[in-house]
Amino acid sequence: QVQLQESGPGLVKPSETLSLTCDVSGGSVTDFNWSWIRQPPGKGLEWIGYIHSSGSTNYNPSLESRVTISVDTAKNRLSLKVNSVTAADTAVYYCTRGGLHTPHGPLDFWGQGRLVSVSS
Amino acid sequence: DIVMTQSPDSLAVSLGERATINCKSSQSVLHSSNNNNYLAWYQQKPGQPPKLLIYWASTRESGVPDRFSGSGSGTDFTLTISSLQAEDVAVYYCQQYYSTLFTFGPGTKVDIK
Repeated sequence: QVQLQESGPGLVKPSETLSLTCDVSGGSVTDFNWSWIRQPPGKGLEWIGYIHSSGSTNYNPSLESRVTISVDTAKNRLSLKVNSVTAADTAVYYCTRGGLHTPHGPLDFWGQGRLVSVSS
Repeated sequence: DIVMTQSPDSLAVSLGERATINCKSSQSVLHSSNNNNYLAWYQQKPGQPPKLLIYWASTRESGVPDRFSGSGSGTDFTLTISSLQAEDVAVYYCQQYYSTLFTFGPGTKVDIK
């Protein structure tokens, strides 16, 4: 059974960089697409972007200028960075597994999520 | 962007009764090359991550009870819970993965009447 675990600071100051990692166990990151999703408190789900294990990425245009997603196949780990954060970036951040060999697949495994608050 | 809408925003159903949630996409998510609808349904209980219930609009994920079913094609989809159980209280989201800009519906909250 694939398990995903997000980790990183739970509090980030405005204008700084939010950095999260997602450790994947029970399976390999290879050949799959991996998405980051976020959910502001009490609100719906927003797709941030995805990465394939080859390194190819695609980002939500609304966040593209501030987001970087990377993958470390040796460590079986994903990373997310969001620059120049504001209070609007306060959310639970989830890493998820998507399609095999294609980005066009459902999100079948989700991490438990990491709440990141942006506040001074 | 493909905009996803859901109706109703919330519903309350008696235990054992049917719950029906609708999802509409602003453009078709049916791929002509394989006749698949690139549409998934997720269930999110309080304090938990979303869980995949249905994909390709009507394929139940392994382990999902058969009281959950998905139907529809093109732009109009439905999630049906045939006999609501107490553990089904949750928010349900539809999502399209036809476009490489994934989008979710706003969610439908299901409660017990």
